This record gives sequence, structure tokens and C-alpha cells, in this order.
Amino acid sequence: EIVLTQSPATLSLSPGERATLSCRASQSVSSYLAWYQQKPGQAPRLLVYDASNRATGIPARFSGSGSATDFTLTISSLEPEDFAVYYCQQRSNWPPYTFGQGTKLEIK
Amino acid sequence: EVQLVESGGGLVKPGGSLRLSCAASGFTFSNAWMTWVRQAPGKGLEWVGRIKSKTDGGTTDYAAPVKGRFTISRDDSKNTLYLEMNSLKTEDTAVYYCTRVIKSSYFDYWGQGTLVTVSS
Repeated sequence: EIVLTQSPATLSLSPGERATLSCRASQSVSSYLAWYQQKPGQAPRLLVYDASNRATGIPARFSGSGSATDFTLTISSLEPEDFAVYYCQQRSNWPPYTFGQGTKLEIK
Repeated sequence: EVQLVESGGGLVKPGGSLRLSCAASGFTFSNAWMTWVRQAPGKGLEWVGRIKSKTDGGTTDYAAPVKGRFTISRDDSKNTLYLEMNSLKTEDTAVYYCTRVIKSSYFDYWGQGTLVTVSS
């Protein structure tokens, strides 16, 4: 089973700053990686898929990069509504889908 | 507008059963792969199971913790997805989300979730 490890567990930043979130896979997942944002009491929302493609309606300040085992989600300039928990997710042969444990982005 | 609306959650005793439903609208449900994802209180996301479209075989797959106890089915005439849960354990307590799958790989639409609590 492919394990996704996200770091840091918690990231404390201020609005306007740049956020860099990491997701590392225990073995290569090629580019089959997505990022989701979840706010308290809400369902997750797809932000990025295939490592670097923004989902429909996602602002340009969100960008994804990486391949194989190392991936990054960057938020170029934090808006107040960006403070949330972020999950990465990969697709493989089995199990077909796994998630990272999440990174909480909190206001400093 | 795509909508997924779950229902059927509630309180059930260990060993009991529950059936969740997910009503879909705004897209061609019969063409979609669908999954269930759960989230225990204060925890992360866990994939539960998947059902492919009938044109792709309609097969199901399950995560190890629920295999043999949970069954996913679909009624394309009603645009509805189901999750039949048997032999429930306290560790099955979670919010259960239904999601649509895109590119066989990712979850682009999620329902609002329904809470299942397994407790005596």
C-alpha cells in the first residue's frame, strides 16, 4: 500500500504570505495526485488533480507541482478563506485511493 | 448544477446495520464511477469503497477494514447510490460522504455527508 506523508502537520502563516505544503509518497505515483481543501463542517473540495491541474473554479493562487514521490501545493498569497485543512490523495492499483493525514493551515 | 445528497445516517448499536443513500443530480449518473469516503470525528479522510459504471462493468471494490461487511450498489433508474453497512463496529463511527469520481482517479463532487454513530 502506498502511504502519503504530509508535512508540516500544522502551518502558521499570516494573510498575504506564501504557503508551501508537502506530500511525499512511499513509492512513485507518477502524476496521479490530487489536493483537497476542507473547512470545518464542510465536505472536502478538489483543488488540484494530476499533480498540477487546477480544478474548475479554483483561483490561480493555488498551484500544484511535483511527480513520482514528491509533491507540493503552493498558495501564492494567502486569503482569509484559505485557512483550512489540506489533504493530498493518490490513485494506484491497490488500494485504488489513499489520502495523506492532512496539513492544517492556521492563521498566525 | 451537480448535487449529491446523502441520507440514512444515525445512531446504531454495535453489530447492527444501516443503509445510506446518496441522491445524485445535475450529471449523467449512469456514466459515473462513485465512491464512499468517511471521516471519523477529528480525523482524516478514508476511502471506503467504489462502484464503477455499468458500462465499465459495474464492479465494486472495498477498503480492507470494511470488506465483507459493507456493500455498495447503485440504481441508475433512480440516480441513487447506496451503502449497506452490516456488523457495524464502534470504529465505523464517522461522517460518510458520497463522491463522484473523475478520470478514474479523483473526487470532484462531494455530498454534505451523513453522520453514522455506532455506540451502545
